[in-house]
Formats: sequence, C-alpha cells, structure tokens
Amino acid sequence: SQTIHQWPATLVQPVGSPLSLECTVEGTSNPNLYWYRQAAGRGLQLLFYSVGIGQISSEVPQNLSASRPQDRQFILSSKKLLLSDSGFYLCAWRKRLTNTGELFFGEGSRLTVL
Amino acid sequence: AQSVTQLGSHVSVSEGALVLLRCNYSSSVPPYLFWYVQYPNQGLQLLLKYTSAATLVKGINGFEAEFKKSETSFHLTKPSAHMSDAAEYFCAVSINTGGFKTIFGAGTRLFVKA
Repeated sequence: SQTIHQWPATLVQPVGSPLSLECTVEGTSNPNLYWYRQAAGRGLQLLFYSVGIGQISSEVPQNLSASRPQDRQFILSSKKLLLSDSGFYLCAWRKRLTNTGELFFGEGSRLTVL
Repeated sequence: AQSVTQLGSHVSVSEGALVLLRCNYSSSVPPYLFWYVQYPNQGLQLLLKYTSAATLVKGINGFEAEFKKSETSFHLTKPSAHMSDAAEYFCAVSINTGGFKTIFGAGTRLFVKA
C-alpha cells in the first residue's frame, strides 16, 4: 500500500531563518506531488505541484520554493522566513494515470515563525 | 475559472440530528468533486467523490453527497450526527489541466453537541 511521510511534524523558527520541509511517498511510482498551506479560516492554498523529477509549477508568488530531486521526494524550502509563512503545510500525492484527481495527504508540518 | 464556495464556516448540530454542509462550485467543464475531512493536527482524508457516474455518492462513515448540476451544488449530508463527526470538512474541485490541480473551499467546522 502507499504511504506518505512528512517531517518535521512541528517546527518553530525565527524570522529570517531558512526552512526545509520534506515529503516522501512510498509504494507508488511517478506520482503527482503537491504542497498546500493551510492558514486558520482560509482553507487550503495550493503552493506548488510537480508532475515529474525537476518539474515544479508555482501557484502563488512568495518567498518559498520547491524541489523534486527524486521521483517520490518533494521538498519545500525558504532562504529567509517571514512571519506570514506560519501555517500548517500539507504534502499530497495523486496517481498519475487516473482521471479522478483524488489526493492522498501526509500528516502535515506545523510551522511557527517568531 | 474553477472555484468552490462553502456556505458557513461553522455548523453546530446535536448528536443524532441531520448534518448538512453546503458546497457550491463553479466550473467551465464537467467537474470532479470531493469532500475531505480533517481532524485536528492531521492531514485530510477523502470522504467521497463524484466523477460523473451516479449523482448520489455514498462515502465513508455514513456520509453522502448529491451532485446537482442545475444548482451547481454538491452538499454533504449525514442522517444522524455522532460525536466523532466533529471535524473540519472541505469541499474540493479537481481541474483536469496541467498537474490535475485540486482547489479547496475554505472549510466548514462541524460541532456536535451531546
């Protein structure tokens, strides 16, 4: 069966520090991968998605970036965090060869920027 | 452009009462529609999905939703609420372009009173 792992689960960082959140999918190949951010009362905002290694599409201009160095690894990064980057970050994957668009989510990473 | 509107950020029901969570969508093409549930500090789990088959879709935990094209709605219902249903619920629409993006509504938090 397929599983998705995110880490760290919780992170407290000072303003201006770097960020790296990692997501790994197991049990499937060539997934589509997604990063969402969830802020209180604002639903889920799609940040990045990837259809293959090295292929990243950005949905919202910001000081975050994403990379996909391996087929089942998706990394969210920042060089200098802002207070507004605080939130709950969710990684998700979708089977490439289906047309239902169902997403499978990780457990999330809660980031607090102080 | 595709979008999702969830009416009511908070809904409160008594245990055993009907649950009705409202969702309206906007889509220029036949949509794939989903309901997800999120428990505190966790990722999202799929409740049910509509993919152009039967308009009445049954999901897990006794939930169901009906796709009404004329009303552009996909409301979620459950005949009898249980305390364990207390969570946040998200309606979502999948867009069959690029990375098959999924757009989420702002969410509705369901409270269940004893």
